[in-house]
Amino acid sequence: DAGVIQSPRHEVTEMGQEVTLRCKPISGHDYLFWYRQTMMRGLELLIYFNNNVPIDDSGMPEDRFSAKMPNASFSTLKIQPSEPRDSAVYFCASSKGTGMRGGSYEQYFGPGTRLTVT
Amino acid sequence: EDKVVQSPLSLVVHEGDTVTLNCSYEVTNFRSLLWYKQEKKAPTFLFMLTSSGIEKKSGRLSSILDKKELFSILNITATQTGDSAIYLCAVEGGSSNTGKLIFGQGTTLQVKP
Repeated sequence: DAGVIQSPRHEVTEMGQEVTLRCKPISGHDYLFWYRQTMMRGLELLIYFNNNVPIDDSGMPEDRFSAKMPNASFSTLKIQPSEPRDSAVYFCASSKGTGMRGGSYEQYFGPGTRLTVT
Repeated sequence: EDKVVQSPLSLVVHEGDTVTLNCSYEVTNFRSLLWYKQEKKAPTFLFMLTSSGIEKKSGRLSSILDKKELFSILNITATQTGDSAIYLCAVEGGSSNTGKLIFGQGTTLQVKP
């Protein structure tokens, strides 16, 4: 199993530019999560999907951020326009459904995309 | 507001020492508590705890949950330099039905030779 795949691994862009981060979850996983990690704020959940449907986007910082999951094997996180304060490592994670027990599962993280906005 | 607080934020020890990392939480609809280890890249799963008083062990690492006092500890015995990492505590819960992990700030552990 290839694990969660993210691209690009590093992105350097200028303020005002559009940034698109990509994620391919583990096959068979029906939950997908986007996180942002900074030194100041730690690991923050931005949005998550279940069966390609956004469930909770309360962590998305503002309208400049948007996420889509057009199918079970692909998701994007877009920032438009980007700002220096968006500089962070963005992780994608996936997990299997919770089943009848109603919770408690392991999330598998991708290698992350390190975004630098100058 | 749901929150997960870890302490200490950073820790420096020498090889062979035993360390205890703490995680306290206030999260609605608690379902489970998870520990992750993050070295240079992505967090990797260590333990998942759902019941109080049952210790989970993996080699030199162990963890236990107290759902009454709302905390968990992660113990590492006979530390090695390879244990140097950020240790993240996360709680599954919150107002949404399922799936959401709320992470603590992490504890940065440095093990010196």
